[in-house]
Amino acid sequence: QQQVKQSPQSLIVQKGGIPIINCAYENTAFDYFPWYQQFPGKGPALLIAIRPDVSEKKEGRFTISFNKSAKQFSLHIMDSQPGDSATYFCAASSRSGGYQKVTFGTGTKLQVIP
Amino acid sequence: EADIYQTPRYLVIGTGKKITLECSQTMGHDKMYWYQQDPGMELHLIHYSYGVNSTEKGDLSSESTVSRIRTEHFPLTLESARPSHTSQYLCASSAGSKTNYGYTFGSGTRLTVV
Repeated sequence: QQQVKQSPQSLIVQKGGIPIINCAYENTAFDYFPWYQQFPGKGPALLIAIRPDVSEKKEGRFTISFNKSAKQFSLHIMDSQPGDSATYFCAASSRSGGYQKVTFGTGTKLQVIP
Repeated sequence: EADIYQTPRYLVIGTGKKITLECSQTMGHDKMYWYQQDPGMELHLIHYSYGVNSTEKGDLSSESTVSRIRTEHFPLTLESARPSHTSQYLCASSAGSKTNYGYTFGSGTRLTVV
């Protein structure tokens, strides 16, 4: 059972556009929502993260919007650049039995064309 | 520089061979993980460890085994490789503290079993 649903699977935008990647979750015990960026031949790298007591977080051109009541969160990339072309994973984390458990979304392959 | 290292980066091996994928981290993280990544991007947790002499199987059934004798080292072993084991294997670690849940991933090992 996929606990974190991510969409779209792939996305193509022109340079300067604002790609938006969406994720939805069911488990209300999740208390940490990170996004990871993965370039070809590399492992995922933590990009930005948010906790459910905050509705928005910005770091540079990357913004997470969080809607706790709808159990949805999304990543926006402002003024997208070809260098942003990568696969993006959302994730959700909760503490279970004193340990952290992370569930990843299925990934979105973003291509930013010049 | 704190980091997580995986070797080898690429491995082509014949069916029936025993292989060990190496993973080491210099951050002193207690928690370490192995993920298998499909060509279609999705990440599947196959093993994790919350400390020395602690190992657990993940969500995806795997014929591999792991060991955690030292905090910094978390090798994965396949006793008898099969073509179905062909995949990308990613190692990760985390501090898992209340203020830092983020994962640090290695660059991965691309395994091909022929």
